[in-house]
Amino acid sequence: AQKITQTQPGMFVQEKEAVTLDCTYDTSDPSYGLFWYKQPSSGEMIFLIYQGSYDQQNATEGRYSLNFQKARKSANLVISASQLGDSAMYFCAMRVANQGGKLIFGQGTELSVKP
Amino acid sequence: DTGVSQDPRHKITKRGQNVTFRCDPISEHNRLYWYRQTLGQGPEFLTYFQNEAQLEKSRLLSDRFSAERPKGSFSTLEIQRTEQGDSAMYLCASTPLADGELFFGEGSRLTVL
Repeated sequence: AQKITQTQPGMFVQEKEAVTLDCTYDTSDPSYGLFWYKQPSSGEMIFLIYQGSYDQQNATEGRYSLNFQKARKSANLVISASQLGDSAMYFCAMRVANQGGKLIFGQGTELSVKP
Repeated sequence: DTGVSQDPRHKITKRGQNVTFRCDPISEHNRLYWYRQTLGQGPEFLTYFQNEAQLEKSRLLSDRFSAERPKGSFSTLEIQRTEQGDSAMYLCASTPLADGELFFGEGSRLTVL
């Protein structure tokens, strides 16, 4: 069965510092994709970054990078130079090939950025 | 604004009443997904459509739940005989491709008293 695990219910980071949000996944399918979404208090899920299982390089999008360790089945999100606006819930999600494109989400990590 | 639109944003109802949520996806996105998110949890998949065809339903979608996408554009999610356990945020997402990024709406928050 496919599963996403986020073991950090809450994280604090000082403004301008970097923070790593943990995500581990479980699937036996060799073809899958990993996503990170941000959910502010407004409720909308905002796409941040994507990593395919066959991608050789770690994905980066601006201040976001994904530390993909395939053998460990981990896909941690690194946010550099944290900003107050980064305070939100962060969800890791997985999509397995040939499963209709649906995403399986973890339980999320609440990030609070302190000034 | 051409993003995914959901209506209503908030709904308070009494137990036993029926409620309906509407989702307008991004134009020409042929895949549409419904998710449910309870407090402190990640979204859980409910069902999805490819154009007007409902291709998969989660076991979470009990017989009190029904979803439609009659013309392959907007979709509705109806909950009959609501229960307090139905209180949640109902999220809609769309994508133009099977392996594309999902674009989410802001959700419809249901409170059942």
